[in-house]
Amino acid sequence: AQTVTQSQPEMSVQEAETVTLSCTYDTSESNYYLFWYKQPPSRQMILVIRQEAYKQQNATENRFSVNFQKAAKSFSLKISDSQLGDTAMYFCAFMNTGNQFYFGTGTSLTVIP
Amino acid sequence: AAGVIQSPRHLIKEKRETATLKCYPIPRHDTVYWYQQGPGQDPQFLISFYEKMQSDKGSIPDRFSAQQFSDYHSELNMSSLELGDSALYFCASSLGRGASYEQYFGPGTRLTVT
Repeated sequence: AQTVTQSQPEMSVQEAETVTLSCTYDTSESNYYLFWYKQPPSRQMILVIRQEAYKQQNATENRFSVNFQKAAKSFSLKISDSQLGDTAMYFCAFMNTGNQFYFGTGTSLTVIP
Repeated sequence: AAGVIQSPRHLIKEKRETATLKCYPIPRHDTVYWYQQGPGQDPQFLISFYEKMQSDKGSIPDRFSAQQFSDYHSELNMSSLELGDSALYFCASSLGRGASYEQYFGPGTRLTVT
């Protein structure tokens, strides 16, 4: 069975600083996809970034980047130049070739002005 | 741009009643996913449909059923409601089946069972 673990229930960061959210997962599959979703207070689920397991290059989307360590089954999200609008719950998620989708328990990020 | 539409946005039901949630995917999207997010919990995958056929099944209770219609909209039917069914129910749609296709989430339907 696949599991996704986010060991940081809550984090905070000063505006304009950099923060890293951790995520580990467990799977026996070799090909899969990893995602980070953002859920602001509005509860809308928004895709932040995604990574395909067979790609060694870390995905980047503007201020958001990941550190994908396949052997360690680690998928952390780095947010640079944090903005107040980044305050949200962040979910790490995993999708296998069987199209089963698994979310982690989430990290609540607060950006402090 | 058109987004995923879910209706109703809020629903209040009593125990043992039945509820029907509707999801209208983005035009041309043929895949629909349903998720349940309990209070303070992570979303749990329930079920998905591709081209009007059930595609994958997650932790959907036997009291729930769902289908995708010819116009690609989907309905989640929930019977014999329990207090524990109170949650935010998300629908997501994608252009195709599989992780290579981005899922676009709707705003969710908040179901409260009293």
